[in-house]
Amino acid sequence: GAGVSQSPSNKVTEKGKDVELRCDPISGHTALYWYRQRLGQGLEFLIYFQGNSAPDKSGLPSDRFSAERTGESVSTLTIQRTQQEDSAVYLCASSHTGGGNTGELFFGEGSRLTVL
Amino acid sequence: KNQVEQSPQSLIILEGKNCTLQCNYTVSPFSNLRWYKQDTGRGPVSLTIMTFSENTKSNGRYTATLDADTKQSSLHITASQLSDSASYICVVTLTGGGNKLTFGTGTQLKVEL
Repeated sequence: GAGVSQSPSNKVTEKGKDVELRCDPISGHTALYWYRQRLGQGLEFLIYFQGNSAPDKSGLPSDRFSAERTGESVSTLTIQRTQQEDSAVYLCASSHTGGGNTGELFFGEGSRLTVL
Repeated sequence: KNQVEQSPQSLIILEGKNCTLQCNYTVSPFSNLRWYKQDTGRGPVSLTIMTFSENTKSNGRYTATLDADTKQSSLHITASQLSDSASYICVVTLTGGGNKLTFGTGTQLKVEL
């Protein structure tokens, strides 16, 4: 596609429910990142996928968080048993190469999650 | 702990004026430094990317500078416009690539008439 697409754009859920967020990266981009951005805060790294390599899950805050990516396509971020502190904007980014090189990161518009 | 500190936290300027945003980092070893613009409710958009060997990079009215010796970067905005109102985020990358990007918390800029 023309850019990174995320869905849903907004999600309101009740505490304890599971949510699934989706990211469609730019076609051909091998690297995909998930970040969390709480209100007024900087971006927190969650997970990184690079091609078919094992993902770097070092940023996931708890075992309630998980993410999958099939090949170099769509990724889903799942949050189980949501808590109020999970309320944030979840941003996905993709890059043609690993973003730590000078490969530019392209961000989606984010999924705003509100846990009541 | 690797950190990226930005200043000021927020800034209000009049349309047409120039401004400079600061970024100090302690990330080491350093690979590259990026500036992003994030409009409210939108994802960040890349403005500039500089490697450790570059001192300056321009993108239209945006000019970024880098001093790798003092570990400081600045983003200068010339002839500001109302549409420049946004959060400006400094991002530093460790050598080795992959996921090792460290984000600053941003400077919130507001341009007024």
